Amino acid sequence: DAKTTQPPSMDCAEGRAANLPCNHSTISGNEYVYWYRQIHSQGPQYIIHGLKNNETNEMASLIITEDRKSSTLILPHATLRDTAVYYCIVRVALRGGAQKLVFGQGTRLTINP
Amino acid sequence: GAGVSQSPSNKVTEKGKDVELRCDPISGHTALYWYRQRLGQGLEFLIYFQGNSAPDKSGLPSDRFSAERTGESVSTLTIQRTQQEDSAVYLCASSLGAYSYEQYFGPGTRLTVT
Repeated sequence: DAKTTQPPSMDCAEGRAANLPCNHSTISGNEYVYWYRQIHSQGPQYIIHGLKNNETNEMASLIITEDRKSSTLILPHATLRDTAVYYCIVRVALRGGAQKLVFGQGTRLTINP
Repeated sequence: GAGVSQSPSNKVTEKGKDVELRCDPISGHTALYWYRQRLGQGLEFLIYFQGNSAPDKSGLPSDRFSAERTGESVSTLTIQRTQQEDSAVYLCASSLGAYSYEQYFGPGTRLTVT
């Protein structure tokens, strides 16, 4: 399974952009990078995913390096509700086309007022 | 609409007892996943169901763990002869299909084995 490496914790001021890095140097050519977050005592929530192009949605932007060995999740205007553990995930194929999520320990992001 | 629901939300059991955890996926979702999350850790994949196909059990840690799903509805995860190392939050997720990029997670069942 491809492994991801993230810093264990980060702090960001409310209203500023939060940039969360992730290394996935062993990722293979057809593996997508996914980001989920987990707010305390809740199940994980999907944020965004990408293969090699940068992606943006209503929640965040995902910047993937050209060699695909690392990526950065950007929360453009962080709010207190963005305080959570953020997981960078490379999905691994299962039989029949589905993919399991292989979670590391994630980055605990704290947004400070 | 209703999301993924799980029951019970908390379960305390004695070592050696059997437990059964329930997951109700989002209606219409054909794919269902079970994960385990130990304290302070990421999620570990346990098992995957897709429609009426045979489940992918590659993540089950031992033969004490089993799961069933009736068609595309409710799933139950059973742990027999529970051990203290089984203590964790058990999370269920569902998705529209095998190729769907987003998995929707339930709130989990917190299992404590004493």
